[in-house]
Amino acid sequence: EAQVTQNPRYLITVTGKKLTVTCSQNMNHEYMSWYRQDPGLGLRQIYYSMNVEVTDKGDVPEGYKVSRKEKRNFPLILESPSPNQTSLYFCASSPRTSGIGELFFGEGSRLTVL
Amino acid sequence: RKEVEQDPGPFNVPEGATVAFNCTYSNSASQSFFWYRQDCRKEPKLLMSVYSSGNEDGRFTAQLNRASQYISLLIRDSKLSDSATYLCVVPSPYGNNRLAFGKGNQVVVIP
Repeated sequence: EAQVTQNPRYLITVTGKKLTVTCSQNMNHEYMSWYRQDPGLGLRQIYYSMNVEVTDKGDVPEGYKVSRKEKRNFPLILESPSPNQTSLYFCASSPRTSGIGELFFGEGSRLTVL
Repeated sequence: RKEVEQDPGPFNVPEGATVAFNCTYSNSASQSFFWYRQDCRKEPKLLMSVYSSGNEDGRFTAQLNRASQYISLLIRDSKLSDSATYLCVVPSPYGNNRLAFGKGNQVVVIP
């Protein structure tokens, strides 16, 4: 089954404790992206990647890191999480290298930083 | 003007009725537009792509007005299962490889 898989789905952590949210897709898509969704603000892009070893900042990259060592994986790293990073995070992939096309989303990761 | 603007609603619609809502966008160079459906606390899923004047898929019709820079979504014969938030998505004017998401139109279909 074609899918985007994120883990963990739910996480409660404390300020400053490094964490990684994994994202994996099995559709051989070039483009992958991370979004966060907050009430009243909609979906905002954090980082995106058009290919292996190619990443770029989105709208709200501060406090996040990403890597793209393999085509299928695009982990999101929070080196020192803070409460303002409490949010619902979505990973997405697209068959179009530009990302301007259909996006396939993971089920989301709900993160709470205390 | 913001990249994408939508009236969040909620749009309370009697079952069987028609509902329509608009999305305005700022990127006049946009060539493609998208409507996504998002159920509560779930991931967005593509409902419809719009590449020219409009698109139709069953009870759903999307129309594009380039002159006024808005796209609309019309839902005919509303079903209870249509209750969701509908996100308007357009290419961002701030990056070649980025999409801008509207905050969504929340639709509640009432029995």
